[in-house]
Amino acid sequence: QSVLTQPPSVSGAPGQRVTISCTGSSSNIGVPYDVHWYQQLPGTAPKLLIYGNTNRPSGVPDRFSGSKSGTSASLAITGLQAEDEADYYCQSYDSSLSGYVFGTGTKVTVL
Amino acid sequence: QVQLVESGGGVVQPGRSLRLSCAASGFIFSDYSMNWVRQAPGKGLEWVALMSYYEDNRFYADSVKGRFTISRDNSKNTLYLQMNSLRPEDTAMYSCARVPYEGDGFDVWGQGTMVTVSS
Repeated sequence: QSVLTQPPSVSGAPGQRVTISCTGSSSNIGVPYDVHWYQQLPGTAPKLLIYGNTNRPSGVPDRFSGSKSGTSASLAITGLQAEDEADYYCQSYDSSLSGYVFGTGTKVTVL
Repeated sequence: QVQLVESGGGVVQPGRSLRLSCAASGFIFSDYSMNWVRQAPGKGLEWVALMSYYEDNRFYADSVKGRFTISRDNSKNTLYLQMNSLRPEDTAMYSCARVPYEGDGFDVWGQGTMVTVSS
């Protein structure tokens, strides 16, 4: 069972902005542990999208941005494109579990 | 080219064992901590285990603690996952993933190897 909660799904029309929330607790996001985000296209391995709360790896479009505040984090996708249709997961480290935790996952649908 | 390739998956009966391997190439394997992550069919990602680059530190998810053992052979650039006392709920795609620093994001993933636990 995941300790990071995400909405099961979000949707938007092409060009719109969507946000995905990731809610944790004081033992993970709420302490100085970074939040990372992954994109998983159907049938493929997850791809690191955002690391260290706000940073994009080389090659990730600047349409993707991350933020963190308190015990929550968010991923925003601006200028939504058809190719953004995928599952998105947040991740952090949990001090009470002494291990990594993933969010429940959010399916993004482009209308 | 940085690459991780898993192998060793298959169909196994409940209670039996299986060993997965993850072959690394294109980077200095001994400089990185490595993880196993699994994904049950139609479900989300679940972190399974971490082995630090300095070898002696190993961490496990509660769901596999005492049954699974992560190990590595830096001379062979290979990560392993020994899975004992397998249960049907262990059925999943198992992937290895590299982490530059502990607490960091997983920047390189393999494509995974499927494990099915069924009688």
